[in-house]
Amino acid sequence: RKEVEQDPGPFNVPEGATVAFNCTYSNSASQSFFWYRQDCRKEPKLLMSVYSSGNEDGRFTAQLNRASQYISLLIRDSKLSDSATYLCVVNRYSSASKIIFGSGTRLSIRP
Amino acid sequence: DTGVSQDPRHKITKRGQNVTFRCDPISEHNRLYWYRQTLGQGPEFLTYFQNEAQLEKSRLLSDRFSAERPKGSFSTLEIQRTEQGDSAMYLCASSLQGKDGYTFGSGTRLTVV
Repeated sequence: RKEVEQDPGPFNVPEGATVAFNCTYSNSASQSFFWYRQDCRKEPKLLMSVYSSGNEDGRFTAQLNRASQYISLLIRDSKLSDSATYLCVVNRYSSASKIIFGSGTRLSIRP
Repeated sequence: DTGVSQDPRHKITKRGQNVTFRCDPISEHNRLYWYRQTLGQGPEFLTYFQNEAQLEKSRLLSDRFSAERPKGSFSTLEIQRTEQGDSAMYLCASSLQGKDGYTFGSGTRLTVV
């Protein structure tokens, strides 16, 4: 079983829709959680960190459920530019050390 | 400093040849990481350095792979006797100890023919 699991998608949604992704992690000792965005043939870029209390950044909301060991990402009012692969990322330790990536969820926004 | 730099961007090599990639991290970052990514997968951890010390190596890193960071600044990743299965994007990232968030370079795309 992979340490971080995501639905690969693709999710194909119309512009303006709300879309949500979940990600599960197997190591209960995991400390830090992130969502990264990766455009086609580009490097991953940090989208947002995920905090226990949940956090929001504009149209993006991230939630963490430690009891069930999953994190989620909600995108509201989706834009064409949101089309990308979204990578769920987990760090076992409280400070930055190696991070483990999920396989990514592909999102395609159609006009 | 414009971020993490990787060189070359693309490399095509024949099976059996050796290749070396270079990564220049953000100058104040003391941690440096190598990841490998194949199509449709997330990046897989290979190894990481804190300053010049290599602190962890993945089991993915076979004996044909070696990484160095001799002065705690740039790093090199060498693959000896390349195989077709080595074809992938090799990503380098850096971070500052105690701070969340990695910055990735643009990667080196290796094709073994």
